[in-house]
Amino acid sequence: SQQGEEDPQALSIQEGENATMNCSYKTSINNLQWYRQNSGRGLVHLILIRSNEREKHSGRLRVTLDTSKKSSSLLITASRAADTASYFCATDDGGSNYKLTFGKGTLLTVNP
Amino acid sequence: NAGVMQNPRHLVRRRGQEARLRCSPMKGHSHVYWYRQLPEEGLKFMVYLQKENIIDESGMPKERFSAEFPKEGPSILRIQQVVRGDSAAYFCASSGLQGSAEAFFGQGTRLTVV
Repeated sequence: SQQGEEDPQALSIQEGENATMNCSYKTSINNLQWYRQNSGRGLVHLILIRSNEREKHSGRLRVTLDTSKKSSSLLITASRAADTASYFCATDDGGSNYKLTFGKGTLLTVNP
Repeated sequence: NAGVMQNPRHLVRRRGQEARLRCSPMKGHSHVYWYRQLPEEGLKFMVYLQKENIIDESGMPKERFSAEFPKEGPSILRIQQVVRGDSAAYFCASSGLQGSAEAFFGQGTRLTVV
């Protein structure tokens, strides 16, 4: 698998439900970030978690990081139709603090 | 603070023409990064520049692509003799310090080669 690979590739849920997306990576990292991209638009930074952190919250978002398994999860609680977007995780290469490696993303569809 | 500004937002070029993509970093930022996103893919790192210097161009195709970040003015990503495979979204990010943790992304330029 690629560095920063998300699964599932696509997720469809009903409004109000929770959405969980996972990300796996291969090399050591300094930090891991999650981004949202609405169709045909730019990237919106959601949250950053550092390698020495295990969990982080921001509003309806909860991110976990397990460096022993080289994986992270993004949980969106009480989803809304406006959460419909592609979600990407991005890792920095542990040897470079500036180069981000993105996965192909998870396409989340929240049905009203 | 206006954020990272990219222009144009959409660019259509015929095969063989040149494409120039501009990125104005956030005020006070001197580090610029370019990424390319092919359809249905994640972003791929292309190049990292500081004012007047290319720091890392390991993600840039060896031919036809060049980037600059002059002392004055925006960063420019230039693609000569474009081909259909160059059609993609090109994103620029900037930071005040070196590091991905500090970077902010622009809205991107969508290049279509016809």
